[in-house]
Amino acid sequence: QVQLVQSGAEVLEPGASVKVSCKASGYTFTTYGFSWVRQAPGQGLEWMGWISAHNGDTKYAQNLQGRVTMTRDTSTSTVYMELRSLRFDDTAVYYCAREGGTESSGYYFVYWGQGTVVTVSS
Amino acid sequence: DIQMTQSPSSLSASVGDRVTITCRASESISRYLNWYQQKPGKAPKLLIYAASILQSGVPSRFSGSGSGTDFTLTISSLQPEDFATYYCQESHSSPRTFGQGTKVEI
Repeated sequence: QVQLVQSGAEVLEPGASVKVSCKASGYTFTTYGFSWVRQAPGQGLEWMGWISAHNGDTKYAQNLQGRVTMTRDTSTSTVYMELRSLRFDDTAVYYCAREGGTESSGYYFVYWGQGTVVTVSS
Repeated sequence: DIQMTQSPSSLSASVGDRVTITCRASESISRYLNWYQQKPGKAPKLLIYAASILQSGVPSRFSGSGSGTDFTLTISSLQPEDFATYYCQESHSSPRTFGQGTKVEI
């Protein structure tokens, strides 16, 4: 069965960086891409970006360009999301999600990680 | 970027009610539209993709319709487990924008 297991909660100061991992299992890792989605406390879902597990291509949300980097390690079936220069409003639950679907049906997220709480606090 | 606007932001309903949530895209997205359900403390769950295709295992009381810029999610007979927040999402371009959510309350 498909599983996405994320790294644990983090508490960081403003200006620091965080790197969240998402380890996939139960399928061939390089077949599907991943998106990262975050949710600030009491707020909606925000798509952060996408990475191809096949070749590492990335797309980032414009408001995070320059602060976010997504990478993958095919040897461990793990994707990573690093966010730099953290601000108080980066406090959120961060989810990885495996992308399914096709060009004709569009792309959707069936499988999600359990979420990683990142708290930015001084 | 395409903007996704849901209405209403919240609604109150009773068990057995028919509930309709609307999602409007700022430009035509054909049928590239997903719907998710999220309960507190949990990851979102995919309900519908390609505007009207029910994800495997999702009860048939959920249905989706629409194309172009206007879409609806309908719950034909609200059940106790359906009280949650619902999000639409554009599913083809980048960014894959979500709507702001609709909270369905008792």
